[in-house]
Amino acid sequence: EVQLVQSGAEGKKPGESLKISCMGSGYGFANSWIGWVRQMPGKGLEWMGIIYPGDSDTRYSPSFQGQVTISADKSINTAYLQWSSLKASDTAMYYCARLVHHYDSRGYNIPTYFDYWGQGTLVTVSS
Amino acid sequence: EIVLTQSPGTLSLSPGERTTLSCRASQRVSSNYLAWYQQKPGQAPRLLLHGASTRATGIPDRFSGSGSGTDFTLTISRLEPEDFAVYYCQQYGSSPRTFGQGTKVEIK
Repeated sequence: EVQLVQSGAEGKKPGESLKISCMGSGYGFANSWIGWVRQMPGKGLEWMGIIYPGDSDTRYSPSFQGQVTISADKSINTAYLQWSSLKASDTAMYYCARLVHHYDSRGYNIPTYFDYWGQGTLVTVSS
Repeated sequence: EIVLTQSPGTLSLSPGERTTLSCRASQRVSSNYLAWYQQKPGQAPRLLLHGASTRATGIPDRFSGSGSGTDFTLTISRLEPEDFAVYYCQQYGSSPRTFGQGTKVEIK
């Protein structure tokens, strides 16, 4: 059974750093893209970025490029989302999710939609 | 970036009714690479459909999807109590991938 288990809720102050995690099990972690989705309070879903743990290929939405860092450690089946300096506007629920992928005619690994989701990690940033 | 606009914002319906949700893209969605997700309060989203019309594993056949190009729809043929939720479309044909803003289906 595919499972994504995220780290627990965090309460931080503006300017602090943070790294949250997402551990995958029940599938080949290194061989599947895994991504992060933000949901601000009472708002919709925002696609942040993804990583392929097998070769650490990482892609960000322009809205999040430079604002967060996505990484993964395939030896422990865990992906991470981190901030170097949190802002109050980073207060949100963050979901990790696995992506289905396929190979195109040129052999490129193309990430597609999210098929399995973690339970979410609530990050609250307040002074 | 492809902007997805979902309409209406909220639907107030009764169990047993049929409903259609719309997702309109600002540009053509390549290969009809569009997915639909359902999110209930306090829960993570759940994949319903991909490729505009292919149901995910375990999704009941009262959920169906159609459309191509820039206009897509999600139809629920007969609303069950557990279907009252927020529904999001997402395109994965172009980078960056984007979500629509969601349609809430609430009990009338």
